[in-house]
Amino acid sequence: GAVVSQHPSRVICKSGTSVKIECRSLDFQATTMFWYRQFPKQSLMLMATSNEGSKATYEQGVEKDKFLINHASLTLSTLTVTSAHPEDSSFYICSAPWTGRAGELFFGEGSRLTVL
Amino acid sequence: QQQVKQSPQSLIVQKGGISIINCAYENTAFDYFPWYQQFPGKGPALLIAIRPDVSEKKEGRFTISFNKSAKQFSLHIMDSQPGDSATYFCAASKNTGNQFYFGTGTSLTVIP
Repeated sequence: GAVVSQHPSRVICKSGTSVKIECRSLDFQATTMFWYRQFPKQSLMLMATSNEGSKATYEQGVEKDKFLINHASLTLSTLTVTSAHPEDSSFYICSAPWTGRAGELFFGEGSRLTVL
Repeated sequence: QQQVKQSPQSLIVQKGGISIINCAYENTAFDYFPWYQQFPGKGPALLIAIRPDVSEKKEGRFTISFNKSAKQFSLHIMDSQPGDSATYFCAASKNTGNQFYFGTGTSLTVIP
């Protein structure tokens, strides 16, 4: 299968600062990547779809100015949480559909964000 | 609207027993049905997947049963082990592979 790498795995920041999370497809090119947010013991909540070379598509209720997504290349998408607040503390996960076999979706390891 | 409904929410099974998790979907355009396993603090990992042209797929102790007419599919874990304790998500997608719908997850605990 394919490998999706996410960094950092854990980040702690002060309220009001911005945090960037990177998602890389290591052995395949991904024109699309997905960003999820997961609360404890809950399912995956799709935040946005990242598209290489164009603007991200945000799900209803997700603040695009707070959660900036950039898909700079065919192997890299970034999520920046701007002016973070404690309520933004969560587990953020990215994923990418593998072009090698249509339909297979691979996830990154996740990033635990804690805002103090 | 929940596109994929998953049950049960939690499951406790004795070591060596069979764990069964069920999912149902409405959209007949779905043509890919994966199951993901997630351990605490980790991203979900693809466990096994099926397409609607077959009714069953087996990989080791994991089996997917697929009922196209009932629009249901299930994950069976045979000889369940404590190491299988995790959260399991079913999902469904259409042929483009660019939109996935996830179940709400099942927390499985296998007790020794």
